[in-house]
Amino acid sequence: DVKVTQSSRYLVKRTGEKVFLECVQDMDHENMFWYRQDPGLGLRLIYFSYDVKMKEKGDIPEGYSVSREKKERFSLILESASTNQTSMYLCASSFLRGGNNEQFFGPGTRLTVL
Amino acid sequence: AQSVTQLDSHVSVSEGTPVLLRCNYSSSYSPSLFWYVQHPNKGLQLLLKYTSAATLVKGINGFEAEFKKSETSFHLTKPSAHMSDAAEYFCVVSVRGGSQGNLIFGKGTKLSVKP
Repeated sequence: DVKVTQSSRYLVKRTGEKVFLECVQDMDHENMFWYRQDPGLGLRLIYFSYDVKMKEKGDIPEGYSVSREKKERFSLILESASTNQTSMYLCASSFLRGGNNEQFFGPGTRLTVL
Repeated sequence: AQSVTQLDSHVSVSEGTPVLLRCNYSSSYSPSLFWYVQHPNKGLQLLLKYTSAATLVKGINGFEAEFKKSETSFHLTKPSAHMSDAAEYFCVVSVRGGSQGNLIFGKGTKLSVKP
């Protein structure tokens, strides 16, 4: 079974802190994704990566950056956390390019910024 | 451009009755379509996917969906609801012609199942 793990299930941070969210997948997938999920808005893509050291902006990249130094690991960074970044963050991975490849999701990290 | 619309934000059914979750899509290309389910405090799990093979797609846990090109719909159904089906369901369309491998998610339909 594909496994996507996220470093924390729940996080509480203060405004202005630098926040790291880690995601690891164990199936040698090329593609990795970071989404945020908010009630009534569904999932919105923040950043994605098709290869090591490669990244592309999604629909809502402002206030976020990412890092992919190894194929299995994709990190989301909040340089200076703000209260409007309180949300559920979901990481996903998929094999190859092509829209008909399903994405496998981690359990999510619920981040609260005070 | 591709988009997906889930027509109901909440659906409530009684246990043992049929489930219908509605989804319309818009796509310039022949789309790939998915349904995902999210149980409370969990990640998303794939229920089923359509990738231009059979128009009636069977998924896990007794769910199925029918691709209707003329109606641009991909509704999710189940003949008999179970309490464990209570969750949020997302209809998803793939992105073509730009960032391959990306998905566009509907806003979700929350399914409640009454005993």
